[in-house]
Amino acid sequence: QSVLTQPPSVSAAPGQKVTISCSGSSSNIGNNYVSWYQQLPGTAPKLLIYDNNKRPSGIPDRFSGSKSGTSATLGITGLQTGDEADYYCGTWDSSLSAEVFGGGTKLTVL
Amino acid sequence: QVQLVQSGAEVKKPGSSVKVSCKASGGTFSSYTISWVRQAPGQGLEWMGRIIPILGIANYAQKFQGRVTITADKSTSTAYMELSSLRSEDTAVYYCAREESGGYFDLWGRGTLVTVSS
Repeated sequence: QSVLTQPPSVSAAPGQKVTISCSGSSSNIGNNYVSWYQQLPGTAPKLLIYDNNKRPSGIPDRFSGSKSGTSATLGITGLQTGDEADYYCGTWDSSLSAEVFGGGTKLTVL
Repeated sequence: QVQLVQSGAEVKKPGSSVKVSCKASGGTFSSYTISWVRQAPGQGLEWMGRIIPILGIANYAQKFQGRVTITADKSTSTAYMELSSLRSEDTAVYYCAREESGGYFDLWGRGTLVTVSS
């Protein structure tokens, strides 16, 4: 049981937009920055979004992040087959004194 | 460009220990924090703990307290994660990752598969 809650799966057609939610509490998302990671099959996670809505160099602006209260959202526009991956949200939990992650969301581009 | 290079796959017996290394290639640890995150087969990411190499200060997730030790050798820019009293549930890929001050992981090693089996 993960501290942060994500939908197990989402799907959309190529070229469409998808959003992935991440729900937490005041001890984690509510008072700390959220980051998002993409994990392609058989590879290490890759940072997509940090500090709620910032993109590292090299990450296309098709990827966006937002946060409101105790929830965060990852948005992906112009879906490509290469976007098929598992996506994880993460943040610090002040009560647990630990980094916590969502359970991951598998994106399928139909 | 700094890369995190991890040691190779391990097969261990239940009750034994494993020590995984993570070397910063092409750079040094500088003031970074190095975290260890594991992923069991088909499962999500689980944070185990972290170390600030230049200070030698480590802290651990409560779940692993007493069973995990994270250390660092500044002279070789290498971090280590040792997990003891291994059980089958510890079978996982273990990643080291550079943690920036905002609490996010911007650089990851390729992972080390640890298999615990009798």
